[in-house]
Amino acid sequence: ELKVEQNPLFLSMQEGKNYTIYCNYSTTSDRLYWYRQDPGKSLESLFVLLSNGAVKQEGRLMASLDTKARLSTLHITAAVHDLSATYFCAVVWPNYGGSQGNLIFGKGTKLSVKP
Amino acid sequence: NAGVTQTPKFQVLKTGQSMTLQCAQDMNHEYMSWYRQDPGMGLRLIHYSVGAGITDQGEVPNGYNVSRSTTEDFPLRLLSAAPSQTSVYFCASSWDRSTPQHFGDGTRLSIL
Repeated sequence: ELKVEQNPLFLSMQEGKNYTIYCNYSTTSDRLYWYRQDPGKSLESLFVLLSNGAVKQEGRLMASLDTKARLSTLHITAAVHDLSATYFCAVVWPNYGGSQGNLIFGKGTKLSVKP
Repeated sequence: NAGVTQTPKFQVLKTGQSMTLQCAQDMNHEYMSWYRQDPGMGLRLIHYSVGAGITDQGEVPNGYNVSRSTTEDFPLRLLSAAPSQTSVYFCASSWDRSTPQHFGDGTRLSIL
């Protein structure tokens, strides 16, 4: 069974600070996604990480993937209030769902950036 | 582009009632799925479909049925609603497993 664990689950930051959200998963997978969800809203795709050592950056967010350690990180640089949201990582479990594979989500990290 | 459209956005049911949550996508995606989101639980997969006429169970399928008669539509049926099915339901679609899923806006369902 694939388990996806995020930490921390809650994060309160001050504007201008840096922090990292961690996503560990228990079984080999070849792709990992990061999503953002604003309160009461749908999920928005942020990054797709497809190989070991992959790094993607968009604005103040940078995601990386280490498939050997089964670990992905989402690094926040110089946080601003607009980044306040819940961030989910999701891992494709290839053996679950036939050739398609299916997403297993972490529980999410609720980020609050305060002035 | 409409993307993934879910209806209704809100619904209140009584225990034992049945209903269908609608999901439609206009992107010609083969892969569609239904998730439920509960506080502190992330999203859990209920059912999914890899193409018209093909469906399969996810992590939490009990109490739900799906069908996929067309590429565009993937309705989720609650057979006999129970309070434990109170949740936010999201439908999603994608080209295949290598592309990110597009999510609908969700249906907020309360069962009394």
